[in-house]
Amino acid sequence: QSVLTQPPSASGTPGQRVTISCSGAGSNIGSNTVNWYQQVPGTAPKLLIYSNNQRPSGVPDRFSGSKSGTSASLAIGGLQSEDEADYYCAAWDDSLNGGVVFGGGTKLTVL
Amino acid sequence: QVQLQESGPGLVKPSQTLSLICTVSRGSSSSGGYYWGWIRQHPGKGLEWIGYISYSGIPYYNPSLKSRITMSVDTSKKQLSLKLNSVTAADTAVYYCARETSVAGPQGGVDVWGQGTTVTVSS
Repeated sequence: QSVLTQPPSASGTPGQRVTISCSGAGSNIGSNTVNWYQQVPGTAPKLLIYSNNQRPSGVPDRFSGSKSGTSASLAIGGLQSEDEADYYCAAWDDSLNGGVVFGGGTKLTVL
Repeated sequence: QVQLQESGPGLVKPSQTLSLICTVSRGSSSSGGYYWGWIRQHPGKGLEWIGYISYSGIPYYNPSLKSRITMSVDTSKKQLSLKLNSVTAADTAVYYCARETSVAGPQGGVDVWGQGTTVTVSS
């Protein structure tokens, strides 16, 4: 059972906009910034969004992140076939059982 | 661009100690603002944070693994090590070496990943 909650799957057609949610608690998302990763099966994850809404160099501006309270969202605009991957949210958790906590991942299918 | 490379045995027997090394190339392991650590992924599952060591040597461990983990950094060799003792089949996973860059403490934003190494726990 992951500390952060994501939908297990999402889908969209090329060109569409897709949103993936990540729900947490006051000790993690409510108190700290949220990060998003993209993982193509068989490869290492790639940082997509950090500090809620910042994109590392090289990440297309089709990817955007937002946070409100204890929830966060990743939006992918202009969906492309190469966006088909698993997406994970992550944050630091300040609780005694904390550390870096991840969502369970969302498998995005481009139809 | 910093690169991370994991190395270590791919097969470990139950109850033994899993030992992995991560070698840092094209960068320094002693520079400020960096957190060096490990993240694993069980087969077909999501990501699990194992722990970090800060640039100043402060460890941050996953509470659920803390009693079994030892992490260290050898700055002269530019290597990070992980030891996980008393392993069971539940420790079978792909282990990733990871670096987070943060001036505000660890935040979970790993900007550099190793390619990962598969470790199987089996007799």
